Formats: sequence, C-alpha cells, structure tokens
Amino acid sequence: GQQLNQSPQSMFIQEGEDVSMNCTSSSIFNTWLWYKQDPGEGPVLLIALYKAGELTSNGRLTAQFGITRKDSFLNISASIPSDVGIYFCAGIQGAQKLVFGQGTRLTINP
Amino acid sequence: NAGVTQTPKFQVLKTGQSMTLQCAQDMNHEYMSWYRQDPGMGLRLIHYSVGAGITDQGEVPNGYNVSRSTTEDFPLRLLSAAPSQTSVYFCASRTSLSSYEQYFGPGTRLTVT
Repeated sequence: GQQLNQSPQSMFIQEGEDVSMNCTSSSIFNTWLWYKQDPGEGPVLLIALYKAGELTSNGRLTAQFGITRKDSFLNISASIPSDVGIYFCAGIQGAQKLVFGQGTRLTINP
Repeated sequence: NAGVTQTPKFQVLKTGQSMTLQCAQDMNHEYMSWYRQDPGMGLRLIHYSVGAGITDQGEVPNGYNVSRSTTEDFPLRLLSAAPSQTSVYFCASRTSLSSYEQYFGPGTRLTVT
C-alpha cells in the first residue's frame, strides 16, 4: 500500500510567496523524485535526487534528499500563477518501483 | 517524438463491459507501466513491463490484464468493468528499470456506471 506521506495536502498562497512541502516515510528510499501535474495532464518530472543530503535546484525550485533517506522536501520561491497544480513526491526502493505520495494541491491567488 | 500517447482521452462504460486502453511510446523505452490515480490516493501501480514479452503485477493488479508484444505498445485491458475501476489511468515509460526519469502520457479518464 501507500508508503509515502506528503504534506500539506493543499496550499492556498498569494502570488510571490514561497512554498514548502515535504514527503516522509517509515522506509528508506534510494532515490526521491518530484513531479508536477497540471489539470488534465500527466505528471512531469521536476527534480530527481540520488544521494542522501543532496540539494538540487531547477530554476525557482529546490529539493532536498533527507539525510535519513526517509524524507524529502520541495521549495518553490517567489511563486507565479503557472506554479498552480498538484505536486507529487515519489520514492524508489530496491525493486526499482516508484511509490507516490498523495500529492499537494497548490492554489495561487493573484 | 510524440512521447507517450494514450487513447481514448475519455471513456464511459457500463458495469460488465470490457475495453482496452491503448498506450504507445516512440522513445524506444524498455520499461512501461500503468497507474491509476484516485483522489487523495496519489498514483498506484497496476502493471508494468521491463521489455517486450515480459510483464509483472504492481500494487493494484486485480481486474486488469496487460501484454507487451512490441517495445512501443502496452495496452491495458479491463475484462469486466466495475464501478471501483472509475479512475484516471496513466501510462508511463522510462529507458530501463534502472532509469529514474519516467515520462507520463496525458491520461484516460474512465467512468464505469
């Protein structure tokens, strides 16, 4: 069953604010991935993290692979309207299967 | 490249009907998979394939069949649709089992009445 707990489930922010979301698990993961899903579309990969403690940026997005390998964080700085969507974390364990979090729905008020 | 394509985009079925959701990719990816997405549940793996002729079950395989006769195509079959199968279905592919960059199709929204 579902092994990743993603929070918060939803966020309502003002344009220009920074956003933080996280994903935790009781299990260790070898790789963490962050995806974004726009309405009516499939998820698109934003950032991949391969090593514990790794901090990786993609434009205004920054993600970190937790040192315990049981969590990951995604930050979005200076949010803009096109950041609206659902953000998913995903972890990979030894069997190479992706396990997804429940998603964080981001809404931005202009 | 078209990437990962799925048809149909929307489908309504009556309980007990059968249908096939089509998925194709033109990136020569070995690994393909099917997920279903339900509100508050994230994406759950139904079946996956590591190459032509090889398939395996994921987290929620019951009620679904798959086959992989070519590298490009990975159809998902519902033999006898049930209302519990109402969901959005996503097909995905990646280069290989050890590659972590997975590409998703646009999804098929299925309603079973």
